[in-house]
Amino acid sequence: EADIYQTPRYLVIGTGKKITLECSQTMGHDKMYWYQQDPGMELHLIHYSYGVNSTEKGDLSSESTVSRIRTEHFPLTLESARPSHTSQYLCASRQGYSGNYGYTFGSGTRLTVV
Amino acid sequence: QKEVEQNSGPLSVPEGAIASLNCTYSDRGSQSFFWYRQYSGKSPELIMSIYSNGDKEDGRFTAQLNKASQYVSLLIRDSQPSDSATYLCAVLSDMRFGAGTRLTVKP
Repeated sequence: EADIYQTPRYLVIGTGKKITLECSQTMGHDKMYWYQQDPGMELHLIHYSYGVNSTEKGDLSSESTVSRIRTEHFPLTLESARPSHTSQYLCASRQGYSGNYGYTFGSGTRLTVV
Repeated sequence: QKEVEQNSGPLSVPEGAIASLNCTYSDRGSQSFFWYRQYSGKSPELIMSIYSNGDKEDGRFTAQLNKASQYVSLLIRDSQPSDSATYLCAVLSDMRFGAGTRLTVKP
């Protein structure tokens, strides 16, 4: 059982709304990531963080923001949802001090913007 | 050129056969590589990691790494229908995953 939690699991929201997708992990991992994945398609890196107060942009970051105020929490915010944001959003974390550990993924949030 | 490339598939093998999945990467300085399995509608789960040139075996799974050729592979021996999934290659330094290879194991 993965110790990384995402809420909500499913979200249907109207165009223009502001939304925050939550991600929390209890493993004390320094590094956290957000990926976007359409069904049957590849993962795209949106944002990542190397620790508290550290955030970096990935490949699809222009329409979203993240914060890392606490080690365990890494929320993703869409300021104005659009139908093109309809996708699955996956949060992941890993230990930061060694390359010997892979990513642990949450169960994902499936977002539909209508 | 994409940083992590996988043979696009889909790949279909009969039950009991060996499935071979391949991945190439562009960052010559990469040190850590991972194979993930993703069932439809689920999150990726880690099945193998490899850091040194050569082979690493874990049960029916063998990961192979050749840093000179920038090539990582995953072999699944005695393939089972439950192995049917998409397999993703990940390169730690890139924080990126390959597009995945969909494997179907036919009974």
